[in-house]
Amino acid sequence: NAGVMQNPRHLVRRRGQEARLRCSPMKGHSHVYWYRQLPEEGLKFMVYLQKENIIDESGMPKERFSAEFPKEGPSILRIQQVVRGDSAAYFCASSPELAGGNTDTQYFGPGTRLTVL
Amino acid sequence: GENVEQHPSTLSVQEGDSAVIKCTYSDSASNYFPWYKQELGKRPQLIIDIRSNVGEKKDQRIAVTLNKTAKHFSLHITETQPEDSAVYFCAAPLASYKLSFGAGTTVTVRA
Repeated sequence: NAGVMQNPRHLVRRRGQEARLRCSPMKGHSHVYWYRQLPEEGLKFMVYLQKENIIDESGMPKERFSAEFPKEGPSILRIQQVVRGDSAAYFCASSPELAGGNTDTQYFGPGTRLTVL
Repeated sequence: GENVEQHPSTLSVQEGDSAVIKCTYSDSASNYFPWYKQELGKRPQLIIDIRSNVGEKKDQRIAVTLNKTAKHFSLHITETQPEDSAVYFCAAPLASYKLSFGAGTTVTVRA
């Protein structure tokens, strides 16, 4: 069972360009979460998606950031008009659905390290 | 404010000694507490987790204890080895799905 896949692993963009980060969850997982990690800091929740639905985007900046998880294909985190402050590692995690409404165990992908020049 | 507080921020131990990391949380409804290990440049990896219906869980040299009354949980690593050097994060749910992570503890095992 392949783990959570993310690509690209490294992405360099100039200010004002767009960044697209992709995440394929583990097989059988229908829940995807995106986190941002600044250097030497912890993980900050950005958005939680299920197939074709955004469940919670409370951690995502209101402007320039968007996320989707289409019926077919990977989840995409899109950052428009990137600025230097967007430089960070972006991790995707996925989880199965547990019975009884229990909190799901989240498994992380390798991350995409975004550098904005 | 932050839901989860983690201490200490750095921890240096002699190889073979034990390491203990403590976390406190604020939401009394939290019922799931995972611990992740992150090596430099790598992904966070789940090393152990505990649900609120038990007070302790052990997996070889790693154990986690939970005190629901006091709302804190701890990671214990015994007989530390150089490969245990990493950043360790605790987490607790803000909602049934949303994890709030501690700020991390950088553990260094001295040979």
